[in-house]
Amino acid sequence: GENVEQHPSTLSVQEGDSAVIKCTYSDSASNYFPWYKQELGKRPQLIIDIRSNVGEKKDQRIAVTLNKTAKHFSLHITETQPEDSAVYFCAATPSSNTGKLIFGQGTTLQVKP
Amino acid sequence: GAVVSQHPSWVICKSGTSVKIECRSLDFQATTMFWYRQFPKQSLMLMATSNEGSKATYEQGVEKDKFLINHASLTLSTLTVTSAHPEDSSFYICSAPGGGSQPQHFGDGTRLSIL
Repeated sequence: GENVEQHPSTLSVQEGDSAVIKCTYSDSASNYFPWYKQELGKRPQLIIDIRSNVGEKKDQRIAVTLNKTAKHFSLHITETQPEDSAVYFCAATPSSNTGKLIFGQGTTLQVKP
Repeated sequence: GAVVSQHPSWVICKSGTSVKIECRSLDFQATTMFWYRQFPKQSLMLMATSNEGSKATYEQGVEKDKFLINHASLTLSTLTVTSAHPEDSSFYICSAPGGGSQPQHFGDGTRLSIL
């Protein structure tokens, strides 16, 4: 089945710097790759997603890139702010099911003021 | 927009008790729903796919007799943790595909604590 690996597990940056989180997946037929932000005890919040027919997508300070050949995708956050501090998860939808999500291990991002 | 309601939000009960968690799609129909479990400081792990009108599909390693799933209508799926023990203490969260800009809509989750 699909396996998603996420790195790093923790990331600390200074306010204003950029943050990059990387994920790899195993199922070459996976076609949907969302990124979620989760605050303690809360539901995951979708922040950006990308489909397999697109290589890059940007929404203000957040961007996601996808390399289908290498089976990896990355989240880029520019001009980080303290409120960006949270746990971020990548996920992939395996080819067998268009609904279920297989999540990466998560990255705890700390933005220092 | 599409909303998924999950309750209870927090349950504390004694070991051996069975606990039922409900997941409702409020303004859309969901033929499938998904149940995830999240231990502290860990990721969301898919437990099972709930299928309306048929048996749930469980992920490898998830005991179907321990985690009973019922999806009797197009708007309601329930997860029952039978004879819960302290090791079942976790954050359980459901989701439903609702289309539109957000393919998955998550409930608020249920924090289950077994004493």
